[in-house]
Amino acid sequence: DIQMTQSPSSLSASVGDRVTITCRASQGISNYLAWYQLRPGKVPKLLIYAASTLQSGVPSRFSGSGSGTDFTLTISNLQTEDVATYYCQKYYSAPLTFGGGTKVELK
Amino acid sequence: EVQLLESGGGLVQPGGSLRLSCAASGFTFSSYAMSWVRQAPGKGLEWVSTISGGAGSTYYADSVKGRFTISRDNSKNTLFLQMNSLRAEDTALYYCAKAYCATAPCYSSSPFDPWGQGTLVTVSS
Repeated sequence: DIQMTQSPSSLSASVGDRVTITCRASQGISNYLAWYQLRPGKVPKLLIYAASTLQSGVPSRFSGSGSGTDFTLTISNLQTEDVATYYCQKYYSAPLTFGGGTKVELK
Repeated sequence: EVQLLESGGGLVQPGGSLRLSCAASGFTFSSYAMSWVRQAPGKGLEWVSTISGGAGSTYYADSVKGRFTISRDNSKNTLFLQMNSLRAEDTALYYCAKAYCATAPCYSSSPFDPWGQGTLVTVSS
């Protein structure tokens, strides 16, 4: 099975900072990669699919890139409401594995 | 508006069984694959199972294969997860989620959007 590895597992940044989270697949998955945001007490929210397509309603400060095995989620101007844990997921084929998550906190 | 409402969670002893339900509304249920995802306390998201829109294909995580069964009743717009031989490590918040795609039908190889509020399953003696 394909493994999904996220890094870092946690990070601390200031409001306005640019934040980058990486996700690596153990085998190529083309662009079948999604990013989710899980805020405390909330339901997981789809941010990006097809590696770089922003889901409707998601602020444009979020962006995704990559293809094959290496992917990136970038938050260009961190806001307080972005405090959350972020997960990548491959949906190329079952198992639809999630990465381990990256917890984003404010400095 | 798409709505997903899980139910059926609760406290069960190790080795016991539980059946989760997810009532869906606001979309053509039979045209979309549906999934279950769980989050154990203090842990990350774990994909559990997916079923195609017509119920012809099902997929399971290795951790639940042979113990859990996903099914759906398209006449009642409801998704199910039958959980048998429950273990302490199955303790988690269980979410149902709809496959997302630009145009239906939406297959199993799709991201998840939206998600339900979740139902808590606790396996303990």
